[in-house]
Amino acid sequence: AQKVTQAQTEISVVEKEDVTLDCVYETRDTTYYLFWYKQPPSGELVFLIRRNSFDEQNEISGRYSWNFQKSTSSFNFTITASQVVDSAVYFCALSGGSFGNEKLTFGTGTRLTIIP
Amino acid sequence: GAVVSQHPSWVICKSGTSVKIECRSLDFQATTMFWYRQFPKQSLMLMATSNEGSKATYEQGVEKDKFLINHASLTLSTLTVTSAHPEDSSFYICSARGVQDGGNTIYFGEGSWLTVV
Repeated sequence: AQKVTQAQTEISVVEKEDVTLDCVYETRDTTYYLFWYKQPPSGELVFLIRRNSFDEQNEISGRYSWNFQKSTSSFNFTITASQVVDSAVYFCALSGGSFGNEKLTFGTGTRLTIIP
Repeated sequence: GAVVSQHPSWVICKSGTSVKIECRSLDFQATTMFWYRQFPKQSLMLMATSNEGSKATYEQGVEKDKFLINHASLTLSTLTVTSAHPEDSSFYICSARGVQDGGNTIYFGEGSWLTVV
């Protein structure tokens, strides 16, 4: 069975601070995909990143960066110089299969509040 | 980019009535669609996997007679909540697997808020 754990239920930081959201996963699949989504109050899921299990390179996209550590089964997400618009619930998710296009197992989410 | 649209975005219905939520892939063919449910301040839980032209596969604990899923075409899947009750009030969101790009990508709809009064 697959499992995603986001131990941080809620985080509050002051604007411009850096913040890291933790994600730990469990799977028996040798090939799998990891995702991060942002969910603003309106509800829609905003896709942030998809990473396959064979690509352990860290990725940076603007103020966002992701650290994939297969040895510790973690896929952490860091926001640098946080902004109020970053306030949302963030979900880490896991998908098995060869293409990452199967059903997703979501973590419980981390509610991030950026204080102006 | 690929777009998945859900309708309605918001719906309020009376207890005991049925309500239908549509999930459409607007610019691609979706052989598979997934339906998720999210209770307030909780995570998204998969309800069922819907394949075009065949019966949906439901997750354990999801009542197939209560949550009817139809995937009659490559661009449309519907979720009907039958005899809705207040405990069915939730956020329902679909995702679609596109045939394009080798089926590598999943696209989510905007979600539908259901309130049963």
